[in-house]
Amino acid sequence: DSGVTQTPKHLITATGQRVTLRCSPRSGDLSVYWYQQSLDQGLQFLIQYYNGEERAKGNILERFSAQQFPDLHSELNLSSLELGDSALYFCASSVVGQEGSPLHFGNGTRLTVT
Amino acid sequence: AQKVTQAQTEISVVEKEDVTLDCVYETRDTTYYLFWYKQPPSGELVFLIRRNSFDEQNEISGRYSWNFQKSTSSFNFTITASQVVDSAVYFCALSVGGTSYGKLTFGQGTILTVHP
Repeated sequence: DSGVTQTPKHLITATGQRVTLRCSPRSGDLSVYWYQQSLDQGLQFLIQYYNGEERAKGNILERFSAQQFPDLHSELNLSSLELGDSALYFCASSVVGQEGSPLHFGNGTRLTVT
Repeated sequence: AQKVTQAQTEISVVEKEDVTLDCVYETRDTTYYLFWYKQPPSGELVFLIRRNSFDEQNEISGRYSWNFQKSTSSFNFTITASQVVDSAVYFCALSVGGTSYGKLTFGQGTILTVHP
């Protein structure tokens, strides 16, 4: 168990809808990362938050947004969903201030858009 | 830009065989970090090892060993005496230092199947 908690495990929704994925980092980790794993793109970095602030952005679509709350949990919001957004979404966390510390991933949320 | 190549898409072995998973990386940064993650059929990503660019020492952990060679930009992973439980997808990943740390670039993964 990595200590990173993601909910829900599975999500099935229709095109055009909006969903929210939730992540609780490991205790003590201030940084949260979101990754997308799809068959055609593989594992891709989406966005990073550190202590409530956006720190780095990857290939995140404008329809997607994220935030990190004062209790450090994070949410990834996906809107106007398309079939191609079906993927496994991972959240990871790490200790900040210790460059080189590994990212620990949650079990992922499997999103299916029909 | 960073790039990670795992040339082996799939590997199939019989239990107790040794198997090496190849990883070649590209980066212009002098400070970087290399990782291996395992994704079993259940889907989670399990951290296996991290190595920084200044430490070329090979590492052994039980049946697992890693060979980091800067001269060839490779970070290969060997499983000795493979077991059925080793069946999984294995990902090699690269991160550079500084503010981009945490932005992992993953290889496409190698599917390892260990047959009894």
